[in-house]
Amino acid sequence: AQTVTQSQPEMSVQEAETVTLSCTYDTSESDYYLFWYKQPPSRQMILVIRQEAYKQQNATENRFSVNFQKAAKSFSLKISDSQLGDAAMYFCAYNRETSGSRLTFGEGTQLTVNP
Amino acid sequence: GAVVSQHPSWVICKSGTSVKIECRSLDFQATTMFWYRQFPKQSLMLMATSNEGSKATYEQGVEKDKFLINHASLTLSTLTVTSAHPEDSSFYICSNSGSPYEQYFGPGTRLTVT
Repeated sequence: AQTVTQSQPEMSVQEAETVTLSCTYDTSESDYYLFWYKQPPSRQMILVIRQEAYKQQNATENRFSVNFQKAAKSFSLKISDSQLGDAAMYFCAYNRETSGSRLTFGEGTQLTVNP
Repeated sequence: GAVVSQHPSWVICKSGTSVKIECRSLDFQATTMFWYRQFPKQSLMLMATSNEGSKATYEQGVEKDKFLINHASLTLSTLTVTSAHPEDSSFYICSNSGSPYEQYFGPGTRLTVT
C-alpha cells in the first residue's frame, strides 16, 4: 500500500521569505502522480501543484515549485516570496496512474506566515 | 477545473436523527466520487468510494450501515449519516475523480450532532 509522510506538523515563515515543506512517500509503482494541496481556513481544498512521476523536470507554478527526487521518494514544496495568504494547511498527496483511483494524503503541515 | 458543490455547508442535528449530505458534480459527469471525513487539525480520511449505478466501496472500519452512500446519477452522490451521534460530528468532504491527475473537491459540510 502507498503511504505519504509529512514530518513537519507545523512550519512558520516570515512574509517575503522562502519556506520548504517536506514530503516522502512509499510506493512500488513506477508511474504515479504527486500533488500539493492547500487547505485555508475556509477548508476548501485547493490544488497548488502537480507532478507526474515520469517527468524529470520539477513542476513550477509561479511562486510554488517542487523538488521531486524519484529515487529517494521525496517530494518537497518550496514557496518563494511568502505571502500572508499562503497561510494554510498543506497536504502532500499521491495517486496511482489508474482511472478512478483515490488520493492518499499525508498528515499535513500547518504553515504560518508572520508579517 | 470541474466544480463540485455540497449541500448543506453546515448542519446541526440531534443525536439519533439522520442527516443527508449532497455532493454535486456541476460540470462533469462523475462515475466515481469519493467521500472523506476530516477531524480538526487532521488529514482527510477516505470513507468510501461512490460508484454510479452500483454499490459504494467502504474503507476498512467505516460502517456501511451507518454511512449510506447513494450515487444514482452521474452528477449526484449523497451521504446519509444514520442515527447520528456526537462522535459523528466532523467535516465531510466529497470529490470527483476526473482523472488520476485531477480531482476536484467540494467545499465540505460541517456536521454537528448535539
